[in-house]
Amino acid sequence: QVQLQESGPGLVKPSETLSLTCSVFGGSISSYYWSWIRQPPGKGLEWIGYIHSTGNINYNPSLTSRLSLSIDTSKNQFSLRLRSVTAADTAVYYCARIGAGEAGDAFDIWGQGTMVTFSS
Amino acid sequence: SSELTQDPAVAVALGQTVRITCQGDSLRSHHASWYQQKPGQAPVLVIYGKNNRPSGIPDRFSGSSSGNTASLTITGAQAEDEADYYCNSRDSSGNHHYVFGTGTKVTVL
Repeated sequence: QVQLQESGPGLVKPSETLSLTCSVFGGSISSYYWSWIRQPPGKGLEWIGYIHSTGNINYNPSLTSRLSLSIDTSKNQFSLRLRSVTAADTAVYYCARIGAGEAGDAFDIWGQGTMVTFSS
Repeated sequence: SSELTQDPAVAVALGQTVRITCQGDSLRSHHASWYQQKPGQAPVLVIYGKNNRPSGIPDRFSGSSSGNTASLTITGAQAEDEADYYCNSRDSSGNHHYVFGTGTKVTVL
């Protein structure tokens, strides 16, 4: 049973860089696409981007200028870096797996999420 | 358009049937997936593809689609089905981006 676990600071100062890591347990990171999704308090879900171990990466156009995704197959982890953060980036950040086959358009496994707040 | 629109809220009597809809141009060419989210929890995939349920999802959940509208139906709603439901699909840009619906709060009376 594949499980995902996000890690990273819960509090970030405005204009700084948010760094989060998602650890994949119970399966290889190399076989799937992996994604980040966020949810501001009381609001809906927003897709951030996805990455594959082959180097295929895709970003939400609204975040492209500030966003970097990376993957470390030796650690079975993938990471997010979001630069120049503001209060508008306050959200629960989830990592998720994109399914295969007919589930290839679905996020079939999710981490528990990590709340990130921005404060000076 | 890359937006997916859902009704903000819907109520259903215990044991009755409720249908949640999701509208968007991208649904003309991409299947919708559906997620259930309870307070303080991560979303859970309940329907994907044409009408597939992941292991462990009750068969009272089903999906369908017509034109630019996808639907999630709960047949015989249970108290534990009270939650927020989100649809998602690839967007219509052709750039393999994803988009989520605005979400529907389902209340079981």
